[in-house]
Amino acid sequence: QSALTQPASVSGSPGQSITISCTGTSSDVGGYNSVSWYQQHPGEAPKLIIYDVSDRPSGVSSRFSGSKSGNTASLTISGLQAEDEADYYCISYTSISTLVFGPGTKVTVL
Amino acid sequence: EVQLVESGGGLVQPGGSLRVSCAASGFSLSTYSMNWVRQAPGKGLEWVSYISSNSNLKYYADSVKGRFTISRDNAKNSLYLEMNSLRAEDTAVYFCARRVGAYLTRMDVWGQGTTVTVSS
Repeated sequence: QSALTQPASVSGSPGQSITISCTGTSSDVGGYNSVSWYQQHPGEAPKLIIYDVSDRPSGVSSRFSGSKSGNTASLTISGLQAEDEADYYCISYTSISTLVFGPGTKVTVL
Repeated sequence: EVQLVESGGGLVQPGGSLRVSCAASGFSLSTYSMNWVRQAPGKGLEWVSYISSNSNLKYYADSVKGRFTISRDNAKNSLYLEMNSLRAEDTAVYFCARRVGAYLTRMDVWGQGTTVTVSS
């Protein structure tokens, strides 16, 4: 399967905005709007925070938003809070009907 | 309460086999497609396999193709992952996750995971 790329870490101060990128190819991220983002705190199961590039499940804070341009999807966290400190993973559908996760980005709140 | 509970993990020798299960409660598994996702110690998430609601479609990651088999028993509200020819690199926490309708990457309910350790 193709591999997605994400920055290993991103940090920001409380109240700031940060953006995490997820870059793939035209066979995955660029070819479909089936890109989701998951948040994972240590020792916990992943939690869906964005699906279909930019849709938010009910109950997820509006501080989380998603977008896509070409082969790169992005997750933006605005008004950064201490509780946002976690690992974030993008996932995309691929042209061979499989799914592929990005390597994950560790978000640190300074 | 809508819940997924994995079980069956444990210690197995390289080359061995193991079957992990995922029991659904609070909803009917028969109406949902399901995925298995794993996470090696200290590593990221890796998608492993997908099965459609009626078992007609099954897909696998290249890393497990030919060794792992996904299946389900809707009457028992259960999902399974049969793992053969296990390798050290299969050591991970295995999560089952419910897919929402036709949303290909939207998984809204996850289990707590079951740990598989492949070691001699």
